[in-house]
Amino acid sequence: LAKTTQPISMDSYEGQEVNITCSHNNIATNDYITWYQQFPSQGPRFIIQGYKTKVTNEVASLFIPADRKSSTLSLPRVSLSDTAVYYCLVGVPDDKIIFGKGTRLHILP
Amino acid sequence: KAGVTQTPRYLIKTRGQQVTLSCSPISGHRSVSWYQQTPGQGLQFLFEYFSETQRNKGNFPGRFSGRQFSNSRSEMNVSTLELGDSALYLCASSPQLKRGASYNEQFFGPGTRLTVL
Repeated sequence: LAKTTQPISMDSYEGQEVNITCSHNNIATNDYITWYQQFPSQGPRFIIQGYKTKVTNEVASLFIPADRKSSTLSLPRVSLSDTAVYYCLVGVPDDKIIFGKGTRLHILP
Repeated sequence: KAGVTQTPRYLIKTRGQQVTLSCSPISGHRSVSWYQQTPGQGLQFLFEYFSETQRNKGNFPGRFSGRQFSNSRSEMNVSTLELGDSALYLCASSPQLKRGASYNEQFFGPGTRLTVL
C-alpha cells in the first residue's frame, strides 16, 4: 500500500497561488495520483488525477516529478471558497481507497 | 444527471439499536462504495459493491454490513450501535470497478450524519 503524507494544515491569502505537496515514497508502477476536495458537511469532490509530469484542468494543476515519489497540487489565485480539506490519494493494488487525513487549507481575506 | 443521493440525511439512534442507510448512485454507475468519516479517524473505507457483490472491504467489525440491489442502489446496516459509530457516512458511486492501473473518479453523496446517544 502506498501511504501518503501531506501537511495537516495551510493558510494562504485570497489571490495567491497555493501549492500542496504530497509524499508517496512507495508508489507502485501502475498507481495514479488523485486529489479530492471536501467542504464541511459535504462529500469529497474529485479535482484532478495524473500519472506523471504535469496535468492541468480548469480547477488546478498537478505536478509530478520523474521519480513520482511526490506530487504537488497547485491552485491558482485562490478565493475564500477554496477553503476546504484536500486529500491526496494513490491508487492501491488491492483497490482499497485510502484517503488519509488530508490538508486543511484556510484562505484568508 | 442527478447526483448520488443518500437517505436519511440525519439520524439519531441509541446504543444497541441498529440502523440502515440508503444510497442511490448516479444513473448508470455500477460501483458503490461506503465510507465513514469522523473527526478523529478521518475518511475510512468501509466496503465497495459492484454488480450486487461485495468486492472490497475495509477494517471494520462485522456489525457493519451492506448490500447492493440489481438497480445498483445500496444499503448499509450497522447493528448493535455503539457511541463510536457516530459519524458522517458517505456513499460514492463510479461507473465501473476500479483497477490498479487507473483510478476511476468517484462521485460522493452528501452523506448521512448518524448520532448515537
